[in-house]
Amino acid sequence: EVHLVESGGDLVLPGRSLRLSCAASGFIFGDYAMHWVRQAPGRGLQYVSGVSWNGAEIVYAEYVKGRFTTSRDNAKNSLILQMSSLTSEDTALYYCARDVAATVTRVASRFDHWGQGTLVTVSS
Amino acid sequence: QSVLTQPPSASGTPGQRVTISCSGSTSNIGSNTVNWYQQLPGTAPKLLIYSDNQRPSGVPDRFSGSKSGTSASLAISGLQSEDEADYYCAAWDDSLIGPWVFGGGTKLTVL
Repeated sequence: EVHLVESGGDLVLPGRSLRLSCAASGFIFGDYAMHWVRQAPGRGLQYVSGVSWNGAEIVYAEYVKGRFTTSRDNAKNSLILQMSSLTSEDTALYYCARDVAATVTRVASRFDHWGQGTLVTVSS
Repeated sequence: QSVLTQPPSASGTPGQRVTISCSGSTSNIGSNTVNWYQQLPGTAPKLLIYSDNQRPSGVPDRFSGSKSGTSASLAISGLQSEDEADYYCAAWDDSLIGPWVFGGGTKLTVL
């Protein structure tokens, strides 16, 4: 059974950094692209970032470019989101999601498994 | 404000058919397929429809998707109380806004 478990969420001050992790199990992690999607309290889903199966291709939403860095460690079945220069606008539940595709692509891509999320609160 | 536009709410009685619309543009829905996600209260999103009108294994055929031009729709027939949830459309966007964009979500209430 596919299992995704996010961790690392915390209360942080504006301008600080935070590192999120997503531990994957139940499938061959290195065969799939992975994504981060966030949801602010009471709000809708918002795409954050995605990474191809081998980490060679990484994409970011415009509002996190230059501040967030996505990486993966296939040997540890782990997806990482390094966040910096955090603002209150980044306050959200952060989900990791598995893609059915190996690359970050528009073709036949969809997010077929999601974790339960980890909460990031940016506040002074 | 979301790139894809959905009505904030929809409702229906058990057994009814409801539809939820998703309006986009030529850079997203107009040139790429649409996926739909269902989010039950307090849970993570679940893939409901992909590639405009395909159902993943395990999704009842009461759920169907369609697309025309720059708009897409999700239809739920034989509405059940357990269908009460938030529904989101999503599509790849070819512009700088992308790569993936979501609708603002539609809260479906079963009366």
